[in-house]
Amino acid sequence: GENVEQHPSTLSVQEGDSAVIKCTYSDSASNYFPWYKQELGKRPQLIIDIRSNVGEKKDQRIAVTLNKTAKHFSLHITETQPEDSAVYFCAAPLSGGYQKVTFGTGTKLQVIP
Amino acid sequence: NAGVTQTPKFRVLKTGQSMTLLCAQDMNHEYMYWYRQDPGMGLRLIHYSVGEGTTAKGEVPDGYNVSRLKKQNFLLGLESAAPSQTSVYFCASSLASGGYNEQFFGPGTRLTVL
Repeated sequence: GENVEQHPSTLSVQEGDSAVIKCTYSDSASNYFPWYKQELGKRPQLIIDIRSNVGEKKDQRIAVTLNKTAKHFSLHITETQPEDSAVYFCAAPLSGGYQKVTFGTGTKLQVIP
Repeated sequence: NAGVTQTPKFRVLKTGQSMTLLCAQDMNHEYMYWYRQDPGMGLRLIHYSVGEGTTAKGEVPDGYNVSRLKKQNFLLGLESAAPSQTSVYFCASSLASGGYNEQFFGPGTRLTVL
């Protein structure tokens, strides 16, 4: 099945700096890569996703880049703010369809004011 | 519009006891999923359903059963709870059409098995 590796597991940045989280996947046929944010004690929520027909997607301070050749995709957060502190999960499709995905192990981001 | 809801929010069981977790969604989504979340392991898919009356195994199905008798509900059962099933359980749902879609998660159920 699909294997997704996520790095780093923890990340501390100063407020205003940028944060980058990287994920690698194994199935070259994968074509959908979402990122979820989970605040402490809350449910995961989708913040951005990218499909394999584009290399980059932006939404205000958040961007995701995809390198299909190297089979990795990254989440970029610019001008970080304390409310960006959370655990971030990447995901990639599992084989067998029905929109099943496998999640990375998560990155705990701490933004230091 | 409540989205995805889960019952109960917390539960403590003794080894060998049984229980059922209820997930309900009011978005008319076809697909529903049950995940467990353990520290350092992300979210792992237990079982999923692609429509009323259908269920299938995910990555970690052992020790769990599911049922989807109504489109809006997805039940997760533990017949004989074990300490290894101590976890936070999340239900999610998504639309079936248009390729991959966002999964909407419930608030989670924190289960402790003693």
